[in-house]
Amino acid sequence: KQEVTQIPAALSVPEGENLVLNCSFTDSAIYNLQWFRQDPGKGLTSLLLIQSSQREQTSGRLNASLDKSSGRSTLYIAASQPGDSATYLCASAGYSSASKIIFGSGTRLSIRP
Amino acid sequence: EPEVTQTPSHQVTQMGQEVILRCVPISNHLYFYWYRQILGQKVEFLVSFYNNEISEKSEIFDDQFSVERPDGSNFTLKIRSTKLEDSAMYFCASSGRGGWETQYFGPGTRLLVL
Repeated sequence: KQEVTQIPAALSVPEGENLVLNCSFTDSAIYNLQWFRQDPGKGLTSLLLIQSSQREQTSGRLNASLDKSSGRSTLYIAASQPGDSATYLCASAGYSSASKIIFGSGTRLSIRP
Repeated sequence: EPEVTQTPSHQVTQMGQEVILRCVPISNHLYFYWYRQILGQKVEFLVSFYNNEISEKSEIFDDQFSVERPDGSNFTLKIRSTKLEDSAMYFCASSGRGGWETQYFGPGTRLLVL
C-alpha cells in the first residue's frame, strides 16, 4: 500500500530564499507524481505533474524532480515570495490504480517579508 | 479558464440526515472524482467515475455513499445517513483522459454534521 510522506511539516523562511520541499513514497511503481498548492480553506491547485518516465518538470520559479529508485520527489521554489505561503501537497498515482491519488500530509510554508 | 465548481460551499446537517453535494466538472472532461479532507488530516480519495459508472472506490466509500451524473453537467455525491465522522471538506475533481492526467479540483464543500 502506497504511503506518501512529506518533511518538514512546516517551514518558515525569509523572502527571497530558495527552498526545497521533500516528498517520499514507499512504492516506486508510480504512474505519476503531482505537486499541489492548498491555500487555507480553499481547494487544491495543481502546480506540476511528473510522469514516471520523466525526471523533472519546471514552471516559472518552480521545479519538481522525481527519483523513482529512491522513492523521492522534491519541489524547488526559487526566490520565494510572501505569496508563496501555502500548504504544498505531493500526491502519487500508481500503475494499478491511476485514478486514485495518494496524498502526503503536506508542508505548510510561510514566507516572511 | 475553465474551472470545477462546487455547491454549496458550506453545509450543516443533523446526524442521520441525507446530504447531496454538487459539482460541475470542467465541460470536456470525462473522469470525475470525489475526495475528502477531515480537518487536520490528509486528503483522501473516495471514488472515481467514468462513463457513467464507478471505476474505483476506496474503503471509505461504503454503502452510505453514492455518486451520480444526473445530467450532462452535474456530478453529485450523496451521503444517505450522515455520521459525525463525515464532517470534512469534500473536494470534487475532474480530468480529461484519466488518472494519468492532471486532476483539477473544485474549491470544496465544508460539511458539518451535528
